[in-house]
Amino acid sequence: GESVGLHLPTLSVQEGDNSIINCAYSNSASDYFIWYKQESGKGPQFIIDIRSNMDKRQGQRVTVLLNKTVKHLSLQIAATQPGDSAVYFCAENNKGASYDKVIFGPGTSLSVIP
Amino acid sequence: EAGVAQSPRYKIIEKRQSVAFWCNPISGHATLYWYQQILGQGPKLLIQFQNNGVVDDSQLPKDRFSAERLKGVDSTLKIQPAKLEDSAVYLCASSPTGYGMNTEAFFGQGTRLTVV
Repeated sequence: GESVGLHLPTLSVQEGDNSIINCAYSNSASDYFIWYKQESGKGPQFIIDIRSNMDKRQGQRVTVLLNKTVKHLSLQIAATQPGDSAVYFCAENNKGASYDKVIFGPGTSLSVIP
Repeated sequence: EAGVAQSPRYKIIEKRQSVAFWCNPISGHATLYWYQQILGQGPKLLIQFQNNGVVDDSQLPKDRFSAERLKGVDSTLKIQPAKLEDSAVYLCASSPTGYGMNTEAFFGQGTRLTVV
């Protein structure tokens, strides 16, 4: 069936350290993956995405790694800041004949300790 | 540019009552999504519109939920009658042409519904 899951439901890191948020997915046909950040009381906000034919993509302070062999995705945040505290969702995109369908995972709550 | 607007922000109703949520997507965005987010879970897609046509409503409980997107712009989501398990945040999102690399969806702040 369709499912996207996260290994760690909560993560606490010291300010300035690097954070790694992991995600497992089950649909090997998914053609790309997205990471979203959701702050309290707000809707999810796009962080970075990666196509299935890539294994790494970098953004500003964030890096996404994709390992298709084990169906694993990770989001690395460098020099974590208090403003990074939020719930992070990975989502996988299933490309259909006429439209794409995005399935969200359950999320990981990241807390940054000052 | 203005973001996705949703109203109301909060709503408390009794079970078996009706409720409606409104969404105004980003101007020019063809695709509109309604998600249900239960506390502690990821958003679950309820319905997806492409312009004013439905492309996916497979997870919409059609016996009580309905949605429309008149003229391919604003959208309303209705629940009638509400059940306790409908308590959640209802998120609206829009994207220019549907999900795809570099065409991410933009989310509104959501409507938090509490059914008592």
